[in-house]
Amino acid sequence: GAVVSQHPSWVICKSGTSVKIECRSLDFQATTMFWYRQFPKQSLMLMATSNEGSKATYEQGVEKDKFLINHASLTLSTLTVTSAHPEDSSFYICSAPPTQGAIGGYTFGSGTRLTVV
Amino acid sequence: QKEVEQNSGPLSVPEGAIASLNCTYSDRGSQSFFWYRQYSGKSPELIMSIYSNGDKEDGRFTAQLNKASQYVSLLIRDSQPSDSATYLCAVRLGTNAGKSTFGDGTTLTVKP
Repeated sequence: GAVVSQHPSWVICKSGTSVKIECRSLDFQATTMFWYRQFPKQSLMLMATSNEGSKATYEQGVEKDKFLINHASLTLSTLTVTSAHPEDSSFYICSAPPTQGAIGGYTFGSGTRLTVV
Repeated sequence: QKEVEQNSGPLSVPEGAIASLNCTYSDRGSQSFFWYRQYSGKSPELIMSIYSNGDKEDGRFTAQLNKASQYVSLLIRDSQPSDSATYLCAVRLGTNAGKSTFGDGTTLTVKP
């Protein structure tokens, strides 16, 4: 089945630095990638949708200058948290929808636990 | 009203019992319905998908869909402690691609 590889699985960074999270589709081409954030004991919150070759679409209230999303190729989407602060500490998860013409649920990456100190 | 609502948890059942998880959705145009399981500290994994009214069975899991009532449920038979997790209901307008809307999840604990 479809696999999305997400790295790093966890990262600790200092306040004010930037962190890049990568998601790669290993055996299929992901023209779309959804990026979620999840705080402890809360549900998934969609942050943005990245599309290969075009600008990402951000959900209301998500700062696009702070959370930079790039979908450089059909197999790679990245999320960069710029000038991270402790309140950005969260679990970030990417997911890809079924390939075109296919039905089914999303394939999720394994998630990145970000801790900003 | 939330787009996707799940019965508030946590839900606790004894080992071997049937666990019943419920979900309602607001958009009548929804066509695809999914149940994901999320263990603590892990990302969600798809366990069931259903697209037409009725029941769909996969091992110990049965998904039930009633579009007229805008209701989807998940039954877990012979619950095991390893089933203890948060279960997320997700709804999508189309049958492929496009954004899914997730419920807040129901946390299930299966007690040995």
